Amino acid sequence: DGGITQSPKYLFRKEGQNVTLSCEQNLNHDAMYWYRQDPGQGLRLIYYSQIVNDFQKGDIAEGYSVSREKKESFPLTVTSAQKNPTAFYLCASLPLGTDPYNEQFFGPGTRLTVL
Amino acid sequence: AQSVAQPEDQVNVAEGNPLTVKCTYSVSGNPYLFWYVQYPNRGLQFLLKYITGDNLVKGSYGFEAEFNKSQTSFHLKKPSALVSDSALYFCAVRDPYNFNKFYFGSGTKLNVKP
Repeated sequence: DGGITQSPKYLFRKEGQNVTLSCEQNLNHDAMYWYRQDPGQGLRLIYYSQIVNDFQKGDIAEGYSVSREKKESFPLTVTSAQKNPTAFYLCASLPLGTDPYNEQFFGPGTRLTVL
Repeated sequence: AQSVAQPEDQVNVAEGNPLTVKCTYSVSGNPYLFWYVQYPNRGLQFLLKYITGDNLVKGSYGFEAEFNKSQTSFHLKKPSALVSDSALYFCAVRDPYNFNKFYFGSGTKLNVKP
């Protein structure tokens, strides 16, 4: 799982609560990503960030929020507005530059379950 | 729009037999293609990537991938499957017009039986 850590590994949330998932990387990568994984649907992009204090919405940003105050950290908040948040959440990072062959590095994931 | 498709949800193969996991792509521009593997409740691990001009790419754990431009395919292969290869495999393509975005297939579950 490279130099990316995600915590917690498992998270349980009651309906109506906001929760924050942590993602930290020590790879000195510029870009960071949050994906949601549901069975049979592959990975769907929630948010990504290329530099500190800047981020862009992905395909399924509704009900989620992020911040990028430090290069190493990209926390994801799942808000009560997200109607079906039970899923496996993956954080990834990528070195920026002109090399199109750079691959993403992934963290070990956080499994969120809404009770 | 850029996309990849993995037409098989599941592939079953006996240990020692060759395996193929299929991926087709749709890209306007040069295709930057990747294969990842995921074990249960873990993150994705990089296996290999297509480098322009290399129609047969070799990667980690004995895997290789065959790029076919006319068929717009990038199939993952291994000459002799191991039980430990059982996992979920994802094909991905990088957006050639926005290098920060990647598109993933829906995944193929590989089952290798002893």
